[in-house]
Amino acid sequence: EAGVTQSPTHLIKTRGQQATLRCSPISGHTSVYWYQQALGLGLQFLLWYDEGEERNRGNFPPRFSGRQFPNYSSELNVNALELEDSALYLCASSQGQSHATEAFFGQGTRLTVV
Amino acid sequence: DQQVKQNSPSLSVQEGRISILNCDYTNSMFDYFLWYKKYPAEGPTFLISISSIKDKNEDGRFTVFLNKSAKHLSLHIVPSQPGDSAVYFCAATRRGGTSYGKLTFGQGTILTVHP
Repeated sequence: EAGVTQSPTHLIKTRGQQATLRCSPISGHTSVYWYQQALGLGLQFLLWYDEGEERNRGNFPPRFSGRQFPNYSSELNVNALELEDSALYLCASSQGQSHATEAFFGQGTRLTVV
Repeated sequence: DQQVKQNSPSLSVQEGRISILNCDYTNSMFDYFLWYKKYPAEGPTFLISISSIKDKNEDGRFTVFLNKSAKHLSLHIVPSQPGDSAVYFCAATRRGGTSYGKLTFGQGTILTVHP
């Protein structure tokens, strides 16, 4: 069974551009979580989607947004990129909100803003 | 505001000995704690967890201890193996309320187990 898959693996963007990161959850999982891991820091919670709805949001500016599609895959969009947005972006999925503590992570997308 | 802290950036241990990774938290509302292991170029993988109603949970070579009064948890790996070399993250959450679905992670500790 396929795990959580993220694309692309690496992404290089210029400051001011927009980045779109994609995540496919494990089959049967309806919740998707996004985390940012900047250099030297732990994972910072970004967003949680369940059944197509945004359920919770971390302390990030509005230019970080996303959505969840009917097939439960998800997109993270980062607008007006800043150099500090360079980080590893990790997606995780779980079997709905009752299993939020049993999330499985993908391998991440490395975003570099130059 | 770092609510979960791992104050040791790295730990080096000899194969066969015990590895002890520590984690402190400040938010008394956290009621569930987890440890994740992360290899380079891979996402974190769940290792072991503990509910705040317990003070110890074991799974094979891994044991997590929780001291609620000190707001401290530790992960013991006995015996340590070279394959355990990875970055270890502790995480905490409150199951319910506005924090639901959100894990708060520490900065991670790099464990190196020498043969």
